[in-house]
This record gives sequence, structure tokens and C-alpha cells, in this order.
Amino acid sequence: NAGVTQTPKFQVLKTGQSMTLQCAQDMNHEYMSWYRQDPGMGLRLIHYSVGAGITDQGEVPNGYNVSRSTTEDFPLRLLSAAPSQTSVYFCASRLNLQGDTEAFFGQGTRLTVV
Amino acid sequence: AQSVTQPDIHITVSEGASLELRCNYSYGATPYLFWYVQSPGQGLQLLLKYFSGDTLVQGIKGFEAEFKRSQSSFNLRKPSVHWSDAAEYFCIVDGGSQGNLIFGKGTKLSVKP
Repeated sequence: NAGVTQTPKFQVLKTGQSMTLQCAQDMNHEYMSWYRQDPGMGLRLIHYSVGAGITDQGEVPNGYNVSRSTTEDFPLRLLSAAPSQTSVYFCASRLNLQGDTEAFFGQGTRLTVV
Repeated sequence: AQSVTQPDIHITVSEGASLELRCNYSYGATPYLFWYVQSPGQGLQLLLKYFSGDTLVQGIKGFEAEFKRSQSSFNLRKPSVHWSDAAEYFCIVDGGSQGNLIFGKGTKLSVKP
């Protein structure tokens, strides 16, 4: 079991460029989500998915798109990067939506937008 | 609205000393509570969780936490800190909808030799 795998680990983008952060899990989890971590802010939810073909917005969705074509994969797209999107991004998965399930996190992607 | 407060941004303790990290939550029903640890440059790892039952829960690496409903608290404790415990600790409550986890802002722990 690899758990939750995120790629890349580091990325530098120029303002206006686009990119996709990849996230894959091999635990057959229904629920997947993306968070961003900024100093002193904890982690904030960007988008989430409760199953293949179903996605929804979290607390800070602007500037990001997601899709979920398979149970395993949940990529996060930045269409036109901005310096405000400089952050550390974490993908997480949970077995389902029930509260008594723990979340498994990827190792994170450190993104810098210049 | 649900929220989680970790009042201490940064704590420094000596190796071998005891540790208590504070966490208070605001939630309308019985919460599902978690403590996660993030080592430098790493992802988040589950230390322990409280769903119901015994209010004192044991976790990995010698950590424990006590759920106190009357105080809306879920403080994390360890009797003797090791240098490898230096990390950032997050208290989290399940938001009850959309599977959303509500994070405290974290407490960074430094350990003095």
C-alpha cells in the first residue's frame, strides 16, 4: 500500500502559467480532498470529492479546478497561477464521509509562483 | 460555526520534560476529534482520535489526549518529550458535513537538549 501519493514535491511557476498537481490513492477511498497550508493558517479546504464524477468547492476554491474521473485519482489544476497561490498543497483521502474515519495525507507539494 | 483553537503558536520544552498542548473546539454536537503531527517537510500523520467512549485516548509515540466536554477541550499530553517530537501539531475536528476537517492553526513544538 502506497497510501496517498502526490507529485511533484516542489514546483516553481511563473505568474500566468498553468499546472496540474497530481494525487493518487490506492486504498479505495471514496472521499478525496485538497488543502493548502499557509503559515499561521492551518490547512484550508480547496475542493473535495465524495466519489468518481462528484466534486464540490471548499473554503478557498478560487483559481483552482478539480475533476475525479476515477476513484484513485484527484488532480488539482491551476489555470493561471498567481503569487497568492504560493503555498504548500496537501491531498488527503478518507474512507467515506462518516466522521469516524481518519484522513490520510500525501507528502505535500511546495509551490512557488513568481 | 465550527472552529478549533490552539492558543499556543510555539512551545519550547526540555527533553525529558512533560508536554501539554491545548486545543479547544466549538461544535454543536458530539465532535469527532483528531490530533495530527507534521514533521518538517513531511505530510501529516495521525497521532490519535476520539469518536466516543473513554474520554482518555492513547495514541502512537506515547501521546495521549483527554476529551472534556464541559470545557470543550481535547488537550494532547506526553509525560516525557524526546528530541524527535519536535514538529508541528494540529488539533482537528470533523466538520460534520462534506467530510470537511476543520484545523486549528497548529502548535510548533521545539525541544531543547
